[in-house]
Amino acid sequence: RKEVEQDPGPFNVPEGATVAFNCTYSNSASQSFFWYRQDCRKEPKLLMSVYSSGNEDGRFTAQLNRASQYISLLIRDSKLSDSATYLCVVNIFFGNEKLTFGTGTRLTIIP
Amino acid sequence: DAGVTQSPTHLIKTRGQQVTLRCSPKSGHDTVSWYQQALGQGPQFIFQYYEEEERQRGNFPDRFSGHQFPNYSSELNVNALLLGDSALYLCASRGQGRWGYTFGSGTRLTVV
Repeated sequence: RKEVEQDPGPFNVPEGATVAFNCTYSNSASQSFFWYRQDCRKEPKLLMSVYSSGNEDGRFTAQLNRASQYISLLIRDSKLSDSATYLCVVNIFFGNEKLTFGTGTRLTIIP
Repeated sequence: DAGVTQSPTHLIKTRGQQVTLRCSPKSGHDTVSWYQQALGQGPQFIFQYYEEEERQRGNFPDRFSGHQFPNYSSELNVNALLLGDSALYLCASRGQGRWGYTFGSGTRLTVV
């Protein structure tokens, strides 16, 4: 079983729609969680951290369920510029850590 | 403020050769990690350097080695290149007490 699993997509959604991505992780010792965005042939960029209480940044909402080892990302009112690959990332522990990435979910926003 | 810089941006090598990739972390960052990203996959952790020491290593063979210098910059060396080493190699840096990493734009290595 992969340490971090995501639906690879692709997700093709119309502009203005709401889209949700899900991710599961296998290591219950995971302590920090992130969503990164990666444009084609570019480096990953931190989109947002994910907290147990859930957090929102503009049109983006992230949720974490530690009991189910499940992370989600919701994008509301999607824009053409949201087209990218979204990577779910977990970190085992601080101080001696490594980021473990999912394979990414490709999103294309259709005009 | 310069982010993470990597060089070279692209590289073509022949099987069996050796390669050195370089990374300068973001100003104020002291921890550097290297990742390999094959086409269509998420980045895979190679190793992490802090205080000029390798602190953690992923599931990569000894052909992959690295170094961190006193100015926090880092090198990734790969010996005896295989076709399967063709990938985007990403360097990421982090400052003390910070969770999120900043990635460089990567070095795209092609082994022929």
